[in-house]
Amino acid sequence: TQLLEQSPQFLSIQEGENLTVYCNSSSVFSSLQWYRQEPGEGPVLLVTVVTGGEVKKLKRLTFQFGDARKDSSLHITAAQPGDTGLYLCAVSTSGTYKYIFGTGTRLKVLA
Amino acid sequence: GAVVSQHPSRVICKSGTSVKIECRSLDFQATTMFWYRQFPKQSLMLMATSNEGSKATYEQGVEKDKFLINHASLTLSTLTVTSAHPEDSSFYICSASGGGSLNEQFFGPGTRLTVL
Repeated sequence: TQLLEQSPQFLSIQEGENLTVYCNSSSVFSSLQWYRQEPGEGPVLLVTVVTGGEVKKLKRLTFQFGDARKDSSLHITAAQPGDTGLYLCAVSTSGTYKYIFGTGTRLKVLA
Repeated sequence: GAVVSQHPSRVICKSGTSVKIECRSLDFQATTMFWYRQFPKQSLMLMATSNEGSKATYEQGVEKDKFLINHASLTLSTLTVTSAHPEDSSFYICSASGGGSLNEQFFGPGTRLTVL
């Protein structure tokens, strides 16, 4: 079974701080997705990265796919309370559309 | 685009009754739909994969007769929790994929099931 480890598991920071969340595996993936989930709601797709070394930006969020396509990072600049939520990375298993989800990073941004 | 709805958003039922949850892709045709279960403060656990017009594929440890899945059209999948018990109480989330090389899934808002 492929394992997708996210770190840190929990993060509580003050508004305005920067943070980075990591998603790591020993397997190579053709693409990787990042989602944010708020309490009582379904996950919302933030980005899909495909190419090794790729960097994508979504306002204050910067996503990077590792050169070897085994890992990814999500960096948030000047975090705001609205960034609070569960951040999940996900990859598709080989030959199927099934996802494996990462273990999740629960972020809380304090005003 | 890529909107997925779920109904109901919240349901409370008595032990022994059955509950049906609907998942609809509103603005695209979903070749594949997925059903997940999520326990408090945990990541999503895949229960089953359903393709329109064929039987669902269940993950190991998920009871087929307990969680009935029907994917009647390219925009609708249903999950029926049969003879529900308190341990079935959970947050159930569906997702839909329209296919494509990026393998993206779009999630519904989830259904909170409470079995008394």
